[in-house]
Amino acid sequence: QVQLQESGPGLVKPSQTLSLTCTVSGGSISSGDYYWSWIRQPAGKGLEWIGRIYISGRTNYNPSLKSRVTISVDTSKNQFSLKLTSVTAADTAAYYCAKEGAYTSPFYYFDYWGQGTLVTVST
Amino acid sequence: EIVLTQSPGTVSLSPGERATLSCRASQSVSSSFFAWYQQKPGQAPRLLIYGASRRATGIPDRFSGSGSGTDFTLTISRLEPEDFAVYYCQQYGSSPMYSFGQGTKLEIK
Repeated sequence: QVQLQESGPGLVKPSQTLSLTCTVSGGSISSGDYYWSWIRQPAGKGLEWIGRIYISGRTNYNPSLKSRVTISVDTSKNQFSLKLTSVTAADTAAYYCAKEGAYTSPFYYFDYWGQGTLVTVST
Repeated sequence: EIVLTQSPGTVSLSPGERATLSCRASQSVSSSFFAWYQQKPGQAPRLLIYGASRRATGIPDRFSGSGSGTDFTLTISRLEPEDFAVYYCQQYGSSPMYSFGQGTKLEIK
């Protein structure tokens, strides 16, 4: 069974870069069978998709965040990462990494999620 | 960008009752691209339904999804105490990108 675990600083200063890593276990990112996504959720609010990456390095980003987001993958560590630049208080949220359904499937959904990590943007 | 609007925002029901949650899309969505999630406090969302009507692995059959085009419904036939949570709908669209509804809170009456 696939498991995902987010890690990274819980506190980031305004204007700095938020950096998070998702470690995947129970399956290999290198298999090339899935896209891997980042999703965030401000406290008490809804879910916002940030972006995703495929093993080839191909990425897709939410247009509202695209200018500030970079998602990358490290197959040797079975990890993928998120960088969000120029953060403000509005970027304070729980950040989740998630696995999509099979790449070859006609269906689009997230079937495995990390437990989430809270990132606060504050001085 | 397709906007998903869920209704009602909050619904109060008793265990054993039937719950009907709605999600309306601002443009037509392929059923294959539509899913429902359940989220409990302090937990990550859990996939319930994908392809608008297909139950995810391990999901009880009291959960069912239906709909097409712009109107989708999640039905819980007989509420169990563990079903009280927030429910989100999700679609995958062109760009490509995903979007979620704002959520419906199902609370105990």
